[in-house]
Amino acid sequence: GIQVEQSPPDLILQEGANSTLRCNFSDSVNNLQWFHQNPWGQLINLFYIPSGTKQNGRLSATTVATERYSLLYISSSQTTDSGVYFCAVDLKTGANNLFFGTGTRLTVIP
Amino acid sequence: KAGVTQTPRYLIKTRGQQVTLSCSPISGHRSVSWYQQTPGQGLQFLFEYFSETQRNKGNFPGRFSGRQFSNSRSEMNVSTLELGDSALYLCASSLGNTGGDEQFFGPGTRLTVL
Repeated sequence: GIQVEQSPPDLILQEGANSTLRCNFSDSVNNLQWFHQNPWGQLINLFYIPSGTKQNGRLSATTVATERYSLLYISSSQTTDSGVYFCAVDLKTGANNLFFGTGTRLTVIP
Repeated sequence: KAGVTQTPRYLIKTRGQQVTLSCSPISGHRSVSWYQQTPGQGLQFLFEYFSETQRNKGNFPGRFSGRQFSNSRSEMNVSTLELGDSALYLCASSLGNTGGDEQFFGPGTRLTVL
C-alpha cells in the first residue's frame, strides 16, 4: 500500500519561531489534506491541497504532486499551535479513504 | 452549518461485549468514512459508506461492521470486543460524489475495553 512519511516526528519551538513540516508519499494521489489534532482528539482541517500553494493566516501549504511531497509552513508560532499535525492522502480509487502519516508532534514553548 | 457529530463521546465496555457508535454527517454530505486511532497503529481506515452502500473497506476483521441510513447517518458496530479494540473512533463526512473529496471529522468516540 501507499507509504506516507512525515518529518520531523517531534519539533519543539520557541514562541514566535517559524517551522516547516514535511510529508512524503509513495504513489500518485487524488487528494492531500493537512490536519491539526487538538488535545481532545478532534482532527481540525487545515488545508485540502492536492497540488499548488494555499495560505490561511500564519499557515501555508505547498504540494508538489509530481515529486510526491507536501510542506506545511507555520510562521510566528503560538502556544496554541501545539499538538499533532497529520497529513493524509487519498488514492485515485473513486472513494474517500485517507491514508495518514504518523504525524509531527509540535510543542511551542512560551 | 452544523459539523459532524458522534455519539457517544466515551464508552467503557468489557471483553466479549458489542458496541454501536453513531455518526451524523454535515448536512448535504452523502459519504461517511470511519477511522480507528490507536497509539500503536496510528490512524487507520475502517470503511466508507455512500448512498447506503459500503464503497470501500480497510483491513479489519469481520467483527467491525457498519451501515448507513437514507438520511446519511451512519453507525458502526464492533462485536465480541477485544482489549485491542480500545481506541479513538473517528468518522468523517464528505460530499462523496466522486471520491477524493475533502473530509471533515467529528470529535470522535473514545472506547475503552476492560
